[in-house]
Amino acid sequence: EPEVTQTPSHQVTQMGQEVILRCVPISNHLYFYWYRQILGQKVEFLVSFYNNEISEKSEIFDDQFSVERPDGSNFTLKIRSTKLEDSAMYFCASRSGDLANQPQHFGDGTRLSIL
Amino acid sequence: AQSVTQPDIHITVSEGASLELRCNYSYGATPYLFWYVQSPGQGLQLLLKYFSGDTLVQGIKGFEAEFKRSQSSFNLRKPSVHWSDAAEYFCAVALYSSASKIIFGSGTRLSIRP
Repeated sequence: EPEVTQTPSHQVTQMGQEVILRCVPISNHLYFYWYRQILGQKVEFLVSFYNNEISEKSEIFDDQFSVERPDGSNFTLKIRSTKLEDSAMYFCASRSGDLANQPQHFGDGTRLSIL
Repeated sequence: AQSVTQPDIHITVSEGASLELRCNYSYGATPYLFWYVQSPGQGLQLLLKYFSGDTLVQGIKGFEAEFKRSQSSFNLRKPSVHWSDAAEYFCAVALYSSASKIIFGSGTRLSIRP
């Protein structure tokens, strides 16, 4: 069964540095998402992306964050000038165009540790 | 405001016992409903989903959930739990739209007593 893949599985970065989290969504999917889960807390929506533009973003997704689909397969989340509170598990998800038949499929996540 | 409530933070059941995890949602309309499971250090795996039709839905690993519109609930059940069911369980909702986000509950941690 096709999967959403995320790399790296664990990223350690110094505070103030930029980090890029990478995701390869399922190949025929059209909608892409990033979520965040701070340790011990619930999963929170960050941003949705469709047709090469952001569809919706949460309050968390401020100017520090950006997303990009640089080619036909990758979907990236960039965090500029990282802060300690950015430490979390970041999940990528994708789905095809019809929510009724295809719910979001999640990757295994990237654990981001800011030192 | 849209919300999902899982009132039980942590539940412990004996292996072989039945299980029910509670979930209530607050929405203006009936949303799409999901249960996801997360094992330690792992990603989110979809257990089951409800979109319409039969209010009792069957999922993977022997789980089922029942949608009750009058109670705005979508409780997850399993007749006999196994030690491998120990994990975090998240109830989630989504409104239908072309790019609908998922809103997750705070999760219920399930421990299995041998």
